[in-house]
Amino acid sequence: GENVEQHPSTLSVQEGDSAVIKCTYSDSASNYFPWYKQELGKGPQLIIDIRSNVGEKKDQRIAVTLNKTAKHFSLHITETQPEDSAVYFCAARGYSTLTFGKGTMLLVSP
Amino acid sequence: GAVVSQHPSRVICKSGTSVKIECRSLDFQATTMFWYRQFPKKSLMLMATSNEGSKATYEQGVEKDKFLINHASLTLSTLTVTSAHPEDSSFYICSADPTGQGASTDTQYFGPGTRLTVL
Repeated sequence: GENVEQHPSTLSVQEGDSAVIKCTYSDSASNYFPWYKQELGKGPQLIIDIRSNVGEKKDQRIAVTLNKTAKHFSLHITETQPEDSAVYFCAARGYSTLTFGKGTMLLVSP
Repeated sequence: GAVVSQHPSRVICKSGTSVKIECRSLDFQATTMFWYRQFPKKSLMLMATSNEGSKATYEQGVEKDKFLINHASLTLSTLTVTSAHPEDSSFYICSADPTGQGASTDTQYFGPGTRLTVL
């Protein structure tokens, strides 16, 4: 089955800095890669996703890149703000269900 | 759009009792819903895939007689934790696929989660 590795497990940045979270996946058949933000005590919220026919996607301060050859994808957050502090999960999906990474706790200090 | 709700948001029960958690898609239909369990500071663990009008598909190691799933309509799936014990205490989250196709590129939207505490 699919295996998704996510790094780093924790990331601390200063407000205004950029943050990058990286994920790798094992199943070359995976073709859908969403990113979720989860705040304490809440369910995951979809923040951006990318499909295998696209190499990069951007939505305001958030961008995701995908390298299908290398089987890795990354989340980029620019101009970070304290409200960006949360746990971020990457995921990959092929023919079956979503497989999640272990999560990255992002801490943005004012 | 694509809002998923869960009820209750928090429940405390005594050991040996059963607890039902509801998952509803509010503005779309979903032939497929998913149930996850999440331990503190851990990732989401898929428990089962809920299919409208048919039996749920359980992941390996998940007891189907312990975690009963009923997907009675296109907007409602329920998870019943039977004879709950303290080790069943966890954060349970559902998600739904708004296109209902279950195709590989479909987006999943998550509910807000239910915190279950078994005393």
